[in-house]
Amino acid sequence: DTGVSQDPRHKITKRGQNVTFRCDPISEHNRLYWYRQTLGQGPEFLTYFQNEAQLEKSRLLSDRFSAERPKGSFSTLEIQRTEQGDSAMYLCASIPPRGSEQYFGPGTRLTVT
Amino acid sequence: GDSVTQMEGPVTLSEEAFLTINCTYTATGYPSLFWYVQYPGEGLQLLLKATKADDKGSNKGFEATYRKETTSFHLEKGSVQVSDSAVYFCALGDSGGYQKVTFGTGTKLQVIP
Repeated sequence: DTGVSQDPRHKITKRGQNVTFRCDPISEHNRLYWYRQTLGQGPEFLTYFQNEAQLEKSRLLSDRFSAERPKGSFSTLEIQRTEQGDSAMYLCASIPPRGSEQYFGPGTRLTVT
Repeated sequence: GDSVTQMEGPVTLSEEAFLTINCTYTATGYPSLFWYVQYPGEGLQLLLKATKADDKGSNKGFEATYRKETTSFHLEKGSVQVSDSAVYFCALGDSGGYQKVTFGTGTKLQVIP
């Protein structure tokens, strides 16, 4: 058990560019969550997967955001046409089949210039 | 919708002082309640949890009791150490089945020798 991993840890991009983040949950964790955390705030829920199915999306997830979990293992979060307001820490978390505790990854810090 | 309100920081205490961080929540149903901690430069870690009314969660000398009548989950520690310096997040887990977590804004604790 190596924990939830996220890649990259840091990303600097120019406004208007597309970015993609990857999350690898703990093995056999079937539930996966994405959150966004801005400076001085708590994480805010973005979206949830159970296996490969995306079951819930927050209103925070605009049309420029898309998330996938094609084989029910790793997940990607893509942001198209980035805006400065997208600058934040993007966190991934996973839960095992019969658990309730979310295990968080270290996050990807996005800076849009 | 669900929400969590916690006391604003930063909180500065001397080593061995008593700590209380207040947290109240609004939710439908019977959510699980959590305290997460974020040490400098590290990811979110679950500190303790309680899943039903009157449950007491405890870990590393920290305690919190699920009080349904006052919708509160205050964090306490009898004697803080410098190593407890971190940001503490109160959170509730969705009781509707998806178990997404709603976080408070966080309280920064600084413990000075």
